[in-house]
Amino acid sequence: DQQVKQNSPSLSVQEGRISILNCDYTNSMFDYFLWYKKYPAEGPTFLISISSIKDKNEDGRFTVFLNKSAKHLSLHIVPSQPGDSAVYFCAASGTGTYKYIFGTGTRLKVLA
Amino acid sequence: NAGVTQTPKFRVLKTGQSMTLLCAQDMNHEYMYWYRQDPGMGLRLIHYSVGEGTTAKGEVPDGYNVSRLKKQNFLLGLESAAPSQTSVYFCASSETPWEQYFGPGTRLTVT
Repeated sequence: DQQVKQNSPSLSVQEGRISILNCDYTNSMFDYFLWYKKYPAEGPTFLISISSIKDKNEDGRFTVFLNKSAKHLSLHIVPSQPGDSAVYFCAASGTGTYKYIFGTGTRLKVLA
Repeated sequence: NAGVTQTPKFRVLKTGQSMTLLCAQDMNHEYMYWYRQDPGMGLRLIHYSVGEGTTAKGEVPDGYNVSRLKKQNFLLGLESAAPSQTSVYFCASSETPWEQYFGPGTRLTVT
């Protein structure tokens, strides 16, 4: 039973447009969420996080939105750049635990 | 700073052989983690440590052991490798339980 789901395995977006990556979770005890980016043959790198007390967090071109009632979060990248082409993972954790549950990832391709 | 390093980068084992994967971090982080990544799946937590001398089980601990004798090192051991342990293994460390810094990964094949 997958507690964190990224239902879109891949996404293609034109350079300069918005990329929206989605993530759904089932466990209402999750209260901290992260997004990671991963290039081939490298480890994931941290992008942005959000806690359940917020519904939005912004860092430059990256914004994460959290809808707790829908158990849904999304990562917006504006404007998208070719260097953003990578696999994006969302991850979730509950208070007091050190265990993150990762989604299966979405491969983003930004077309020049 | 080298960040998080993993040794080796690649390894091929025969079924039943043993090996140890080494993770080292130079950021003085308290928390360290071992994950595996398989095709079509996200990263799954094998074991983690919240400080020197501590270890705890993650989602998929069976077949693996770990040790954290020094704060900067976290070792992952496979006592008797099985083909199901063919995977890419990632180590991570963090100052808090949240933002984790990952190593480049170790690709392990068990034949």
